[in-house]
Amino acid sequence: SAVISQKPSRDICQRGTSLTIQCQVDSQVTMMFWYRQQPGQSLTLIATANQGSEATYESGFVIDKFPISRPNLTFSTLTVSNMSPEDSSIYLCSVEATLAGARVGQYFGPGTRLTVL
Amino acid sequence: AQTVTQSQPEMSVQEAETVTLSCTYDTSESDYYLFWYKQPPSRQMILVIRQEAYKQQNATENRFSVNFQKAAKSFSLKISDSQLGDAAMYFCAYRRGLQGDDKIIFGKGTRLHILP
Repeated sequence: SAVISQKPSRDICQRGTSLTIQCQVDSQVTMMFWYRQQPGQSLTLIATANQGSEATYESGFVIDKFPISRPNLTFSTLTVSNMSPEDSSIYLCSVEATLAGARVGQYFGPGTRLTVL
Repeated sequence: AQTVTQSQPEMSVQEAETVTLSCTYDTSESDYYLFWYKQPPSRQMILVIRQEAYKQQNATENRFSVNFQKAAKSFSLKISDSQLGDAAMYFCAYRRGLQGDDKIIFGKGTRLHILP
């Protein structure tokens, strides 16, 4: 299994500012995923980030609001831009688990709890 | 579109007892994966168990087992000998196929309380 760390673990931010969340994996992975989990809700995929290419965003999420970087195979960042209270959520980084070359599930980081005032 | 439904928002079980969490899903695919994830209050999502749709045998991981009914599109999780550390939010999830960029679709979750 992969060990995934995220920074910061939590933050309280002012409306209109931006926050960059870092995700570090202890092994090289092709695909990394960013999820949002609003209070008491399930997980919603924001985007999929492959190294060396533009991130693929899900419906309802745009690059201007959630720019993603993927500079190498072990690291990614997600920026939450021009924040509003509606962006208050837990943001989770995830990587694909593989078994005999097949993608068989995902491992998750500990999450970043963001509160926007 | 694929959907995952968990009809039990919350459940409680006495410590050492057995509890079953239900999950149904909708898909027209024949080849897919199903998962149960656990999210304790610390919020770290943990993969509990995985089932390949082509396998008839139900997956088991220690005290965790599933009842996979492909025709009924049902995928329940049984936790035996419940322990206090099992208290968490449990998410059922679906992923189509073995290749490509297919995303995992999560249910809304079931919060499990363990009563001492």
